Amino acid sequence: KQEVTQIPAALSVPEGENLVLNCSFTDSAIYNLQWFRQDPGKGLTSLLLIQSSQREQTSGRLNASLDKSSGRSTLYIAASQPGDSATYLCAVRGNYGQNFVFGPGTRLSVLP
Amino acid sequence: EAGVAQSPRYKIIEKRQSVAFWCNPISGHATLYWYQQILGQGPKLLIQFQNNGVVDDSQLPKDRFSAERLKGVDSTLKIQPAKLEDSAVYLCASSLEMGRKNTEAFFGQGTRLTVV
Repeated sequence: KQEVTQIPAALSVPEGENLVLNCSFTDSAIYNLQWFRQDPGKGLTSLLLIQSSQREQTSGRLNASLDKSSGRSTLYIAASQPGDSATYLCAVRGNYGQNFVFGPGTRLSVLP
Repeated sequence: EAGVAQSPRYKIIEKRQSVAFWCNPISGHATLYWYQQILGQGPKLLIQFQNNGVVDDSQLPKDRFSAERLKGVDSTLKIQPAKLEDSAVYLCASSLEMGRKNTEAFFGQGTRLTVV
């Protein structure tokens, strides 16, 4: 059974810092991995999707990497802004099932 | 392109009452998911449809939860009777179809259920 963990659970940084969020999964037989952002009281917004054959994906100030063999993904946020404050969730989709298994999320606060 | 639509946004009911949630996925998306998200946790899959067929409902509490997607488009999720521990956000998501590696999932705004 796939299990997904995220470290840290919460993070508070001053504006302008570069930061890294970590996601680990126990079963490396994944189809793809997706990073989401969730604002309080809102649904999930897709940030980046990494195929199982890819090593990384970039969108603006965001860069996500995937190391399938070690069961890890990182989300790198460059030059953080107060508007980046939200909960960040990673989710993996297995090879033999198409549903996503989510981590518990990292709650990020970027202070002005 | 319109996103995943869910209603209602909020619902407060007493325990043992019934409640229903509605979801309209993105047009053309064959796969539809219902997730339950308890405060402070990541979403947990309740049920997954491919068109109007159930792919995975292994984590759906079938004694009280039911879901249907009759015409392979919109879907309803029902809880009857509700318990206090059902208080959560219910998220609907859709994706283009199973079997495509680059299929991205898109989520609705969710329905926040409070059972008192």
